[in-house]
Amino acid sequence: GIQVEQSPPDLILQEGANSTLRCNFSDSVNNLQWFHQNPWGQLINLFYIPSGTKQNGRLSATTVATERYSLLYISSSQTTDSGVYFCAVGGNTPLVFGKGTRLSVIA
Amino acid sequence: KAGVTQTPRYLIKTRGQQVTLSCSPISGHRSVSWYQQTPGQGLQFLFEYFSETQRNKGNFPGRFSGRQFSNSRSEMNVSTLELGDSALYLCASSLEAGGFEQYFGPGTRLTVT
Repeated sequence: GIQVEQSPPDLILQEGANSTLRCNFSDSVNNLQWFHQNPWGQLINLFYIPSGTKQNGRLSATTVATERYSLLYISSSQTTDSGVYFCAVGGNTPLVFGKGTRLSVIA
Repeated sequence: KAGVTQTPRYLIKTRGQQVTLSCSPISGHRSVSWYQQTPGQGLQFLFEYFSETQRNKGNFPGRFSGRQFSNSRSEMNVSTLELGDSALYLCASSLEAGGFEQYFGPGTRLTVT
């Protein structure tokens, strides 16, 4: 099955800093999503981005499907950005999740 | 538009008991998927239902089962609970089958004692 690797596993940032989270996957996919899991466990959709680039406020994402990776950029981080960020991929198959990047933003 | 809802939000059960969890998808969404999240195994796919039919099933024992109703609401059942079934159970809905652009509910946190 598809393997998904996320890096780094943990990240600590000072408020206001920028960061890049990476997701590598082992096979061709036509479905890729980024999620933020808040401290209460809710998975919040950030991007549906099987290819290309999207931006939403301080967050943006880029997927290069031919090279099998996706990047999530967080700019001017805030304490509310803390939590775990998951990348999930699929190809007309159930989503396979990475292990996540745990982000802690310190004031 | 209302999001995905799951009930109950928290549940404590004893080993050997059974449990039923419920999920109501976003209005108009016909696909419902279930996932189990544990600290050790991460997020793992349980099953997907579309138009009342199970499309896919993950690698879980037969104690885990589910169904979908004609209004797209879904239930999952776990029989003969084991301590290892303690987890956050997440439900996701999407417009069509195949796992595309899924939206997740708040989850049901199950504790088995």
